[in-house]
Amino acid sequence: NAGVTQTPKFQVLKTGQSMTLQCAQDMNHEYMSWYRQDPGMGLRLIHYSVGAGITDQGEVPNGYNVSRSTTEDFPLRLLSAAPSQTSVYFCASSYSSLKGGINYGYTFGSGTRLTVV
Amino acid sequence: AQKITQTQPGMFVQEKEAVTLDCTYDTSDPSYGLFWYKQPSSGEMIFLIYQGSYDQQNATEGRYSLNFQKARKSANLVISASQLGDSAMYFCAMREGPINFGNEKLTFGTGTRLTIIP
Repeated sequence: NAGVTQTPKFQVLKTGQSMTLQCAQDMNHEYMSWYRQDPGMGLRLIHYSVGAGITDQGEVPNGYNVSRSTTEDFPLRLLSAAPSQTSVYFCASSYSSLKGGINYGYTFGSGTRLTVV
Repeated sequence: AQKITQTQPGMFVQEKEAVTLDCTYDTSDPSYGLFWYKQPSSGEMIFLIYQGSYDQQNATEGRYSLNFQKARKSANLVISASQLGDSAMYFCAMREGPINFGNEKLTFGTGTRLTIIP
């Protein structure tokens, strides 16, 4: 039972490069989300999705794109990396209350540590 | 205004003592949920405990309990008989809105780093 799988675990990018952070879950969770964690700021929501084909912006969406073509996958794309995007990125999933699930706890991936130089 | 406030950036506690980690929240929604997560040095986020705004009793999970004071808008985490393995970062988080309206977004506090001293 893999839970939430994030790849890669570590990545170094040059300013201006693009890349995709992968997130996959095998728990049939409808809700998936991306957070970034910066020192002293906790976790901040970037984008989220309540099901395949449905995405929406969180607190800090600028510079990131997402899509949700399947229930299992929720990739996060950095369009043109900037040093301000140096952070640890977490993907999280849960059952969605829209589909009758009760969300008492989210499952997080192990994180991707991204450095933009 | 901060929705979740954790005022203790760091705490040092003697092993076997009880620990209280503070969390206050701000919402005008009558329906909400409060979560605590543990982040050890390895980096993963571990769900500890959940309290719903309409729950009549304080949540408990093993050595973890949540001291929920609704009028004060506080949701402190209490760890009984602390262990060395409790050393970690602890985050309080809130979900606003009724659970049957698809309100899944979590807002996190800035965290408290707990260090247990042998």
